[in-house]
Amino acid sequence: DQQVKQNSPSLSVQEGRISILNCDYTNSMFDYFLWYKKYPAEGPTFLISISSIKDKNEDGRFTVFLNKSAKHLSLHIVPSQPGDSAVYFCAASLHNDMRFGAGTRLTVKP
Amino acid sequence: EAQVTQNPRYLITVTGKKLTVTCSQNMNHEYMSWYRQDPGLGLRQIYYSMNVEVTDKGDVPEGYKVSRKEKRNFPLILESPSPNQTSLYFCASSWLGANGYTFGSGTRLTVV
Repeated sequence: DQQVKQNSPSLSVQEGRISILNCDYTNSMFDYFLWYKKYPAEGPTFLISISSIKDKNEDGRFTVFLNKSAKHLSLHIVPSQPGDSAVYFCAASLHNDMRFGAGTRLTVKP
Repeated sequence: EAQVTQNPRYLITVTGKKLTVTCSQNMNHEYMSWYRQDPGLGLRQIYYSMNVEVTDKGDVPEGYKVSRKEKRNFPLILESPSPNQTSLYFCASSWLGANGYTFGSGTRLTVV
């Protein structure tokens, strides 16, 4: 029973355009949400997070939006760059208990 | 440099031959955890530990053991590996109650 779902296994966008990665969760008790980025042959690295008391968090080109009523969050990357090509994992957390989605492979084409 | 170190990075073994994957962190984190990554399933938690001598099962603990005798080390033990344990394994650590992990670089295990 996956509590965190990323329904798009892959996404391809053109350099300079916006990338939107989506994530849904089922457990309303989660109080913190994170996005991790993973390159081949490396471990996931933290990208951006958002507390459940907020609906938006921005860090440079990356913005995470949280819609608690819909149990949905999204990651926007603007503008997308070829170096953003990686697998992105959505995660939902309650204290140290963290659940991950299956990941979305983003390809940014030059 | 703050990091989580896993060894080995790659391992091919045969069914039934006991193996250990080591994990060490230098950040004095209380919390450590093991995950496996499989296509279409994302990262699934195997075992976790909230402190020395405190370990508990995650979502997919069958066929695995762990120990936490020291704060910095959290080895993953496969007593009798089987082909369905072929996977990419990640160790992670954090402060207790923190919202976010530091991951190791991964161990790709193949059981034939």
